[in-house]
Parts: sequence; C-alpha cells; structure tokens
Amino acid sequence: GIQVEQSPPDLILQEGANSTLRCNFSDSVNNLQWFHQNPWGQLINLFYIPSGTKQNGRLSATTVATERYSLLYISSSQTTDSGVYFCAVEGRGSSNTGKLIFGQGTTLQVKP
Amino acid sequence: DAGVTQSPTHLIKTRGQHVTLRCSPISGHKSVSWYQQVLGQGPQFIFQYYEKEERGRGNFPDRFSARQFPNYSSELNVNALLLGDSALYLCASSLAWGQETQYFGPGTRLLVL
Repeated sequence: GIQVEQSPPDLILQEGANSTLRCNFSDSVNNLQWFHQNPWGQLINLFYIPSGTKQNGRLSATTVATERYSLLYISSSQTTDSGVYFCAVEGRGSSNTGKLIFGQGTTLQVKP
Repeated sequence: DAGVTQSPTHLIKTRGQHVTLRCSPISGHKSVSWYQQVLGQGPQFIFQYYEKEERGRGNFPDRFSARQFPNYSSELNVNALLLGDSALYLCASSLAWGQETQYFGPGTRLLVL
C-alpha cells in the first residue's frame, strides 16, 4: 500500500518564527489533506490539496504531485499553532477510494 | 451548521466486553468513515460507508463491524474487547465517496482495562 512519511517528527520554534513541514508519499494520489490535531484530539482541516498551492492566512501549502511530496508552511508562528500536524493521502484505484492513509505526524511546539 | 458529532466522548470497558460508538455526519453528507488512533500514531482507516453500503475496510479483525443508517448516521461495534483496542476512535464525513474532503468529529476515547 501507499506509504506516507512526514518530516521532521518534532519541531520546536520560538513565537514569530517560520517553519516548513514536509510530506512524502510513495505513489500517485487522488486526495491529500493537511490536518492540525489539537491537544483534545480534534482533527482540524487545514487544506485539501491534491496538487497546486493554496493559502489561508499564515498557512500555505504546496503539493507537487509529479514528485510525490507536499509542503505545509507556517509563517509568524503563534503558541496556538502548537500540536500535531498530519498529512493524509487517498491513493488511486478503486481499492483505495475514500481511504485516507496518514503519516506519523509532526509535533510542533511554539514557545512564547 | 453542526459539524460531525460522536458519542460518547469517553468510555471505559473491561476485556471481553462489547462497545458501540456512534457518529452523526454533517448535514447533507452521505459518506462516513471510521479511524482508530493509538497514542503517538496517526489515525488508521477501519471502515467507510456510502449510501448505507460498506465501500472500504481496513486491516482490522472481524471483531470490528459497522453500519450506516438511512439518515446516514453510523455506528461502530467492537466485540470481545482487548487491551490493545484502547484508542481514540474518530469518525469522518464527506459529501460523497472518494476524492472528497473528509471532516472529522471530536472522537471517542475508549479505555479497555
């Protein structure tokens, strides 16, 4: 099955710093989503981005489908950005339809 | 509009017992998926239902089963609970099946003693 690798596994930033999180996937995908999991376990949608670039406030994401990676950029980080960031993909083919495969996540800690 | 809702929020069971978890999708969404998240790992796919039919199953034993009702809500059943079933169980809904944004509920935390 499709493999999803995220890096780095852990990241500690000072408030105001910028960061880039990476997601590599092993095969072509129909769907790629970025999530932020808060301390209570809620998975919050950040982006649906199987290809191209999107921006939402201080966050932006780019997926280069032909090279099988996606990047999540966080600018001017705030303490509320702390948590775990997950990349999840839906592989191609009928057996993969609707099935999100998650990476192991990047744990971000933003210090005041 | 309300998001995905799940009940109960927390549950404590003992080994060998049975548990039923419930999920209501976003209004208008016809697909519901279930995921298991063990501490320190990413969520793992268990089931997906669309229009009340099972459309996908992950690598979980037959002790796990699910169904979707005519109002598109869903329940996940786990029989003969094991200690290793302790996890956060997440439900996600989407408009249709495949290539759709999935929206997650707050989860049910299950502890098996």
